[in-house]
Amino acid sequence: EDQVTQSPEALRLQEGESSSLNCSYTVSGLRGLFWYRQDPGKGPEFLFTLYSAGEEKEKERLKATLTKKESFLHITAPKPEDSATYLCAVQARYSSASKIIFGSGTRLSIRP
Amino acid sequence: EAGVAQSPRYKIIEKRQSVAFWCNPISGHATLYWYQQILGQGPKLLIQFQNNGVVDDSQLPKDRFSAERLKGVDSTLKIQPAKLEDSAVYLCASSLGAGHYGYTFGSGTRLTVV
Repeated sequence: EDQVTQSPEALRLQEGESSSLNCSYTVSGLRGLFWYRQDPGKGPEFLFTLYSAGEEKEKERLKATLTKKESFLHITAPKPEDSATYLCAVQARYSSASKIIFGSGTRLSIRP
Repeated sequence: EAGVAQSPRYKIIEKRQSVAFWCNPISGHATLYWYQQILGQGPKLLIQFQNNGVVDDSQLPKDRFSAERLKGVDSTLKIQPAKLEDSAVYLCASSLGAGHYGYTFGSGTRLTVV
């Protein structure tokens, strides 16, 4: 069964304190792995798509990496405005485009 | 570019009542999705439309949930009758095609069943 597990569930950092969020996945052939940001009361906002092991994507203070079993979202020198829930999702190669499975997310809080 | 519009933003109903949610996707987006997000969990796909046809509704509880997309644009999701466990945020998303690009979510409708 396809599965996505994110850790930690919650993470509190001081402004400027870099860290990483983890997304472990089990899927029968990965078609794509996605990272989203979700602010309270809003829908998820698309950040990155990764397709193959070794691939990396960057956007401002965020960098996503992918291996055959997990993905990391690295946050460098975070600011309070980076506080949000970060969701990881995977799509299996055999599935239709709709079969995207989300993890439960990591709630990130950055203190000034 | 206008985003995905959803209404209402909030709804409180009693169990066994019915409720409907509306979604207007981004203009030109052929694919529309309804997701259910229970507090503390990630979104779960309920149904996917390609234009006005259903592509995948395998996770839609069809005994109480129904959805339609008339004329391949707006969509409505209905719950009848509602149960306590239906309390969640219902998110609509749209994309240009059936691939994972340009996948934009609306702000959702928060449903509370009491």
